[in-house]
Amino acid sequence: NAGVMQNPRHLVRRRGQEARLRCSPMKGHSHVYWYRQLPEEGLKFMVYLQKENIIDESGMPKERFSAEFPKEGPSILRIQQVVRGDSAAYFCASSPPGQGAQGTQYFGPGTRLLVL
Amino acid sequence: AQSVTQLDSQVPVFEEAPVELRCNYSSSVSVYLFWYVQYPNQGLQLLLKYLSGSTLVKGINGFEAEFNKSQTSFHLRKPSVHISDTAEYFCAVRHGSGNTGKLIFGQGTTLQVKP
Repeated sequence: NAGVMQNPRHLVRRRGQEARLRCSPMKGHSHVYWYRQLPEEGLKFMVYLQKENIIDESGMPKERFSAEFPKEGPSILRIQQVVRGDSAAYFCASSPPGQGAQGTQYFGPGTRLLVL
Repeated sequence: AQSVTQLDSQVPVFEEAPVELRCNYSSSVSVYLFWYVQYPNQGLQLLLKYLSGSTLVKGINGFEAEFNKSQTSFHLRKPSVHISDTAEYFCAVRHGSGNTGKLIFGQGTTLQVKP
């Protein structure tokens, strides 16, 4: 059973470009979470999605950031017009349905975004 | 609001010595507690979790943690560490009710095991 897949693993963008980060959850998992880890800091929650629905986006910056988890295909975290402060590691996690708050979140290897 | 405090940013220890990584949380409602480990340039791996029941939780790689409700703590322990335990350790809390799925993480503790 493959784990959570994220691609690309490393992404370099210039200021003003768009960044698209992809996350394929574990097989059978319908819940996806995105977290951001700034240098020397812990992970900060960004958004929680289920298939075709955003459940909690309380951690998403109000502008330039968006996330989706379509019925088919991976979850996408999109950052428009990137700035240097967006440089960070972005982690995706997934969990199976039906376990509520007790469910374990399984993390992917992360995408390390560098904005030049 | 929930928060998690990891009291030590770095913990140096010699191989085969015992170690304790401290974690305190603040929450006015019931919570679930987790410890994750992150090796360099990798994602997070679950070490153990407390949901309910026995306050002493055993995890992978010989780690264990004790939930102390009165002190709102969830300290991680290992009786004898190995070089391979060198990594970043994160304590996290999650609401015990409601629909929110988010984990609130502490700042992390770097465990440095020396030969």
